[in-house]
Amino acid sequence: AQSVTQLDSQVPVFEEAPVELRCNYSSSVSVYLFWYVQYPNQGLQLLLKYLSGSTLVESINGFEAEFNKSQTSFHLRKPSVHISDTAEYFCAVTLGFQKLVFGTGTRLLVSP
Amino acid sequence: DVKVTQSSRYLVKRTGEKVFLECVQDMDHENMFWYRQDPGLGLRLIYFSYDVKMKEKGDIPEGYSVSREKKERFSLILESASTNQTSMYLCASSFQGTTGANVLTFGAGSRLTVL
Repeated sequence: AQSVTQLDSQVPVFEEAPVELRCNYSSSVSVYLFWYVQYPNQGLQLLLKYLSGSTLVESINGFEAEFNKSQTSFHLRKPSVHISDTAEYFCAVTLGFQKLVFGTGTRLLVSP
Repeated sequence: DVKVTQSSRYLVKRTGEKVFLECVQDMDHENMFWYRQDPGLGLRLIYFSYDVKMKEKGDIPEGYSVSREKKERFSLILESASTNQTSMYLCASSFQGTTGANVLTFGAGSRLTVL
């Protein structure tokens, strides 16, 4: 069965610094990968997804993630974070037409 | 945009009470899901449904049941609430689509406290 590992439960960073949130998955077949974001007191929202094609995917607010099949990773990066990026970020995987399996989440704390 | 509405944002119930959590989506999605979110554990799937009157167990179905009588509505039922069911409950829906990938749209969540 597929699983997702987010090793960092919390990542503190200063505003305008770069950040990387790590995500590794385990699966022996092709997968679809997602990053969801949860702002305080809200439900989850899709941030970006990898289905096929280019291994680098981008979101509208400056985040990007790269699918690395050999390392079974899908790390999320942003070159310069804002206070408003403070949220919890969840990596998820599916084999398609099935339920999503989520990681345990990484709380990004951006301070001035 | 798809909207997923969870009727109650905050509930406080007593041990042994029957609890209903309601979820409605307005975009004719086939798939609906109930997740439970706990600190350090992420999201864990309780039940899901691919069609009306159809349900399948997720990873932690014990102590829960569901009902899907209409396509737009998916209810989570706690027959006899216990303190270990204190949690945030998230409903989600998705279109089946042709790519085979489920992109979920989530509701805002229902925070349940069982005393």
